[in-house]
Amino acid sequence: EMKLVESGGNLVQPGGSLRLSCIASGFTFSSYSMNWVRQAPGKGLEWVSFISGSSSRIYYADSVRGRFTISRDNGENSLYLQMNSLRAEDTAVYYCAREQPAALAFDIWGRGTMVTVSS
Amino acid sequence: SYVLTQPPSVSVAPGQTARITCGGYNIGSKSVHWHQQKPGQAPVLVVYDDSGRPSGIPERFSGSNSVNTATLTISRVEAGDEADYYCQVWNSDNNHIVFGGGTKLTVL
Repeated sequence: EMKLVESGGNLVQPGGSLRLSCIASGFTFSSYSMNWVRQAPGKGLEWVSFISGSSSRIYYADSVRGRFTISRDNGENSLYLQMNSLRAEDTAVYYCAREQPAALAFDIWGRGTMVTVSS
Repeated sequence: SYVLTQPPSVSVAPGQTARITCGGYNIGSKSVHWHQQKPGQAPVLVVYDDSGRPSGIPERFSGSNSVNTATLTISRVEAGDEADYYCQVWNSDNNHIVFGGGTKLTVL
């Protein structure tokens, strides 16, 4: 079974940092680009960041550029999101999602991990 | 930045056809994907590349895309189709993924 499992979400104070992880299984992780997508409580989906299979291409949403860093370890089948200078508006469920090579559609999603930024 | 516009809500009776639109400038030149999200669950891809259907998705789900509007069509709607639906595109101008604001489908 192809699966993504996120972890690392927590309650953190404004200005703090957090590192999210996403473990992939059931497919050749290095062959796929990966993304982070978030969803604030009661709101819609917001794309956060993209990383290609070889990490040669990395993109960020304007709202997180300069504060968040995406990375991956293909040997560990793992995707990461380092989040610094966190703000209240970063509060959300964070999903990792696999991207189909041809269609650029997110065909597998994890169940998400909750990040709450509050004092 | 590129904007995708969806109606906040669509209502349909069981057995009828639901159409959910996604508007964007020249969206017909882009590949549009649709995701279904039920309460408390992760999204699920239901249509890719305008009209493709992933394995396991019923034939009742279909899509189209032309000029400035993409449409997700759900035929013979069932109570289990009640969910939020999001359209998604890749904006090659700035290498950003864009989601529509989402449409809540209510089955009456």
